[in-house]
Amino acid sequence: EAQVTQNPRYLITVTGKKLTVTCSQNMNHEYMSWYRQDPGLGLRQIYYSMNVEVTDKGDVPEGYKVSRKEKRNFPLILESPSPNQTSLYFCASSWRGGYNEQFFGPGTRLTVL
Amino acid sequence: GQQLNQSPQSMFIQEGEDVSMNCTSSSIFNTWLWYKQDPGEGPVLLIALYKAGELTSNGRLTAQFGITRKDSFLNISASIPSDVGIYFCAGQLNYGGSQGNLIFGKGTKLSVKP
Repeated sequence: EAQVTQNPRYLITVTGKKLTVTCSQNMNHEYMSWYRQDPGLGLRQIYYSMNVEVTDKGDVPEGYKVSRKEKRNFPLILESPSPNQTSLYFCASSWRGGYNEQFFGPGTRLTVL
Repeated sequence: GQQLNQSPQSMFIQEGEDVSMNCTSSSIFNTWLWYKQDPGEGPVLLIALYKAGELTSNGRLTAQFGITRKDSFLNISASIPSDVGIYFCAGQLNYGGSQGNLIFGKGTKLSVKP
């Protein structure tokens, strides 16, 4: 089954404790992206990747890091999480170039205390 | 960055009624997408539009790519309870063969009275 998976689905952590949210897709997509969703603000892009070893900042990259060592994986790293990073996070993937019918993962709800 | 204005923010409708929502932008796009998000899940693509003036249907859903390339509309006919959710528009500007990023509207929350 073609899908985007994220882990964990739910996470409660404390300020400053490094964490990683994993994202994996099995569709051989070149393009992958991370979004955060907050009430009243919709979906805002954090980082994206056009292909392996190619990453770039989205609209709200501060406090986040990503890596793209393999085509299928695109982890989101919070080196020192803060309460304002409490949010619902989505990973998405699509074919590169041309049309952008992004497929979204199920989401990770992160709470930073 | 770029922003999309999506309206209405929320709406309550009676089952069986038709629904309309729209997105406008100050920038032009060459792709418009409409997504639906059910509670606890990620957005799912409903309709994709690739050409100005294009009108596309998917069952009871119809979406249009505005002639000016700065707006798009989504209509749902004869709404049913399972239409409940948040609907997002998203615009994209592709250039020179490269894929631009998606810009999302803030969503329209649809609630249906059974």
